Parts: sequence; C-alpha cells; structure tokens
Amino acid sequence: NAGVTQTPKFQVLKTGQSMTLQCAQDMNHNSMYWYRQDPGMGLRLIYYSASEGTTDKGEVPNGYNVSRLNKREFSLRLESAAPSQTSVYFCASLRVAEGEQFFGPGTRLTVL
Amino acid sequence: GIQVEQSPPDLILQEGANSTLRCNFSDSVNNLQWFHQNPWGQLINLFYIPSGTKQNGRLSATTVATERYSLLYISSSQTTDSGVYFCAATSGNTGKLIFGQGTTLQVKP
Repeated sequence: NAGVTQTPKFQVLKTGQSMTLQCAQDMNHNSMYWYRQDPGMGLRLIYYSASEGTTDKGEVPNGYNVSRLNKREFSLRLESAAPSQTSVYFCASLRVAEGEQFFGPGTRLTVL
Repeated sequence: GIQVEQSPPDLILQEGANSTLRCNFSDSVNNLQWFHQNPWGQLINLFYIPSGTKQNGRLSATTVATERYSLLYISSSQTTDSGVYFCAATSGNTGKLIFGQGTTLQVKP
C-alpha cells in the first residue's frame, strides 16, 4: 500500500514551458486535492476533485488546470509556467466518511 | 471562509523540555488535523482530532470544538521533533483543508 504517490519529485522549467504533475492514490479514496506551499507558509488549495469526473477551484487556481483521470489519478497541468509558480506542490486524498486527509511526498518545481 | 491561526510562530527548546502549540479557528469545524513537516519537506500526519483528546507516545492533542481551539503537546522533546508543525481545518463537506501558518520548532541537543 503506497498511499499517495507523486511524480516527478523535482522539476526545473523555463518561463512559458508546460508540464503535468502526476498524482495517484491506492486507498480507494473518493476525493483528491492539489495544494501549493510557498516558503514560510502553510499549504493553499489549488483545485480539488470531490469524486471521479468532478473538479472545482480552490483558493489559488489561476494558471493551472486539472484532470481527474479515474478514481486513482488526479493530474495538475501548468500550460505556460511563470516564476510565480515556483513552489512545492502536494497532492492529497480523502475518504470523506473517515475525514482524515493523506498527503503525497511533494513535487519541488522551479520556474526560471 | 474559516481562518486558522497558530502560535507561537517559532519555538526553540532544549532537548528534554515540554511544549504546547496552539491552533485557533474562526468557525465550527468537522475536521482538524495536526501535521509535522520534517526538514526534508515531508508532511506527516500526527492527529486527526475534530474534538476530544488523543495521545500517541510523547505527543498528545486536545481539541475543544465549542471554544474553537486545539492544542498539541510535545513532551520530553528530541532533536528529531524539529521541523514545522501545521494545524489544518475544514468546515462543510468538501474536505478542503485550510492551513495555519505553522509553528517552527527547533530542539537543541
């Protein structure tokens, strides 16, 4: 049982490049989330998916798109990366009935 | 939306000392979690505690939902306890966690 996995662990992009961050969970959770963490701050919600086939904006959605590919996978896409998107990105999942959210190891992204 | 505030922002302890971290939230919650972010950036679940008291080894937590606060107790601190401690809460049924700014703990040998 791997829990929540994320790829890649590290990535460096140039301004204007695109990339997709991958997230998968094997806990049969319905809800999945993408957060970003900037230096010295707590995590902020980018997008979430309450169930397969649905997605909703969080606190800081601008510049991102998401896809809930199936129950296991939830990807985050940066279409045209900007230096302001330099951050650590965390994916999380939740079985709503239990209430506890579990996080992946994070992706450290630098945009030059 | 709900707001989460943590105190103190920074804490320096000698190994073996005890400490209490506080989390205040602005509205009723149906989920409250404590996390430890270690120096490698990994978020480790400590407690899921929307109300009541739980203990896990040297750590314990208490949430008083009616008074909108939660406390994390660390006893006999060790250098491996160093890192950032986050409190996060949700209200409603979407599961969206709102994080506090964290308490940075440094335990000196």
